[in-house]
Amino acid sequence: AQTVTQSQPEMSVQEAETVTLSCTYDTSENNYYLFWYKQPPSRQMILVIRQEAYKQQNATENRFSVNFQKAAKSFSLKISDSQLGDTAMYFCAFIDSGGGADGLTFGKGTHLIIQP
Amino acid sequence: GAGVSQSPSNKVTEKGKDVELRCDPISGHTALYWYRQSLGQGLEFLIYFQGNSAPDKSGLPSDRFSAERTGGSVSTLTIQRTQQEDSAVYLCASSHSPGFPGANVLTFGAGSRLTVL
Repeated sequence: AQTVTQSQPEMSVQEAETVTLSCTYDTSENNYYLFWYKQPPSRQMILVIRQEAYKQQNATENRFSVNFQKAAKSFSLKISDSQLGDTAMYFCAFIDSGGGADGLTFGKGTHLIIQP
Repeated sequence: GAGVSQSPSNKVTEKGKDVELRCDPISGHTALYWYRQSLGQGLEFLIYFQGNSAPDKSGLPSDRFSAERTGGSVSTLTIQRTQQEDSAVYLCASSHSPGFPGANVLTFGAGSRLTVL
């Protein structure tokens, strides 16, 4: 069974700073996908970024980038030039390449607070 | 539809009552998932549908929980004889079938918040 661990229950940074959220996972699979989802107070889970395990290049989406270390089973999220709207719960998630019945396995989340 | 739609958005019920939560997935998405998110917790996987079939129901917390999907589209999650510990946000997500491009990307609804008094 896969597990996802987020070791930072809460983080707080000033607006415009850079922040890194940590995530580690455990799996025996070789092909899989990793995701970061954002959940603002509206409850809507929004996909931030995803990484395919077979790709060595780290994914980037505008201010969001990841540091994917497959051997270490680490998948951290970096948010550059943080904005007030980035305040939310952030969940790291894993799915094996077959998708399907097991769905996503989530970490417990990190509550990120961006201070003005 | 353009997104995953869930109803009701909020439901307050008395202990012992039955509740039904509805999920309308993105058109064309054959895979559908239900998750439960308790206060301050991560997401707990409940059940997966491929079409109308749910191959594994072992994720449902108890026999008071049931789910069905008809016509390969709308799904309902039913909780019978609700208990206070059932209070949570119930999230639904859908995706393309395994093997199709984008199959691993789940799109979530806004959830149904259930409060059992």
